[in-house]
Amino acid sequence: DQQVKQNSPSLSVQEGRISILNCDYTNSMFDYFLWYKKYPAEGPTFLISISSIKDKNEDGRFTVFLNKSAKHLSLHIVPSQPGDSAVYFCAAIREGNTGKLIFGQGTTLQVKP
Amino acid sequence: GAGVSQSPSNKVTEKGKDVELRCDPISGHTALYWYRQSLGQGLEFLIYFQGNSAPDKSGLPSDRFSAERTGGSVSTLTIQRTQQEDSAVYLCASSFGLGSNSKYEQYFGPGTRLTVT
Repeated sequence: DQQVKQNSPSLSVQEGRISILNCDYTNSMFDYFLWYKKYPAEGPTFLISISSIKDKNEDGRFTVFLNKSAKHLSLHIVPSQPGDSAVYFCAAIREGNTGKLIFGQGTTLQVKP
Repeated sequence: GAGVSQSPSNKVTEKGKDVELRCDPISGHTALYWYRQSLGQGLEFLIYFQGNSAPDKSGLPSDRFSAERTGGSVSTLTIQRTQQEDSAVYLCASSFGLGSNSKYEQYFGPGTRLTVT
């Protein structure tokens, strides 16, 4: 049972445009969400997070939006840069849980110059 | 400071052999996690250590998998009698643990790519 789903395995965007990566979850008990970025042969690196008490969190070019009623979150990257090309994973956790993150399958973003 | 380190970076082993994978977490991090990523899949939780508490082993796929954390620092993941389906990238992560404001931000090592032939 995939509790966190990233239905788009890949996304291609032109440099300078907006990249929108989507994530859906099924467990309504999740109340904290994170995005990680992964380059080949490296471990994932933390990018941005959001608590369920918020609907938006912004950090530079990266903004995460959370729609609790739809159980949906998205990561916006504006403007997209070639160095943003990587695999992006969303992850979810239940507050106070043991720290076990539940990850989506990942979306490969390619930003073309 | 130094990040999470893992060794070896690559391991090729024959089916039926045992393997040990090592993780050195970030100094000061009390929580340590093991995940694995099979080809084309997301990260699958395996086991979690928090301080001196009993580990959360709920993600271990079979009793061939075990892990220990000595002295609250270095961790070893052991896979006995390896099978081809064990082939994956095994990732270790650490964090400040549940008492921290950034408790959910896990810092990952580069992983160990295990290939069972």
